[in-house]
Amino acid sequence: QSVLTQPPSASGTPGQRVTFSCSGSSSNIGSNYVYWYQQLPGTAPKLLIYRNNQRPSGVPDRFSGSKSGTSASLAISGLRSEDEADYYCAAWDDSLSGVIFGGGTKLTVL
Amino acid sequence: EVQLVQSGAEVKKPGESLKISCKGSGYSFTNYWIAWVRQMPGKGLEWMGIFYPGDSDTRYSPSFQGQVTISADKSINAAYLQWSSLKASDTAMYYCARQSPLWSGYIDYWGQGTLVTVSS
Repeated sequence: QSVLTQPPSASGTPGQRVTFSCSGSSSNIGSNYVYWYQQLPGTAPKLLIYRNNQRPSGVPDRFSGSKSGTSASLAISGLRSEDEADYYCAAWDDSLSGVIFGGGTKLTVL
Repeated sequence: EVQLVQSGAEVKKPGESLKISCKGSGYSFTNYWIAWVRQMPGKGLEWMGIFYPGDSDTRYSPSFQGQVTISADKSINAAYLQWSSLKASDTAMYYCARQSPLWSGYIDYWGQGTLVTVSS
């Protein structure tokens, strides 16, 4: 069972805006940055958002992140079929002294 | 260009040993932590542990402590993940990844993954 809690699935139609939630605790999200990773089918994960809301070079501004207290969220606007993937949140956990991932949310673009 | 290139897929029997590798290029290998991440079939990502080639500092997730050994050879820019006695439950995709700093989830480059299958 993951320490960070994510809903297992989400869906949307092209052009829509979808959001994913990630719930943690004071030892992880509450005291450290949140990161989001996108894993397209059959590929390695890719860094999507770092330090709660920063986008690496090359990541479209359709993707945005936010954090409040012990929760975080990822939003995708203008949904595209190529966004169909698994999305994972991650954070350093001070109690475990390691990185923890959420269980992942599988996005289906209808 | 930063690259992490992992060794190829492995098929092993329970009880056998295994060492998989991850070769870094395009950056200063000794200045970044290398993490290993497990992904069991159809499941999510699990951080196993991390190694700093600059001084050989090694940390393990409590879930993986004693189950695997992480090491590196900085002379050839290679990191390793090894098992002394594989179990069927070790069947998974294993990714190496560059993480920095240690106390963050900032993992900016990933290897392509090594699929390990353990079956009798």
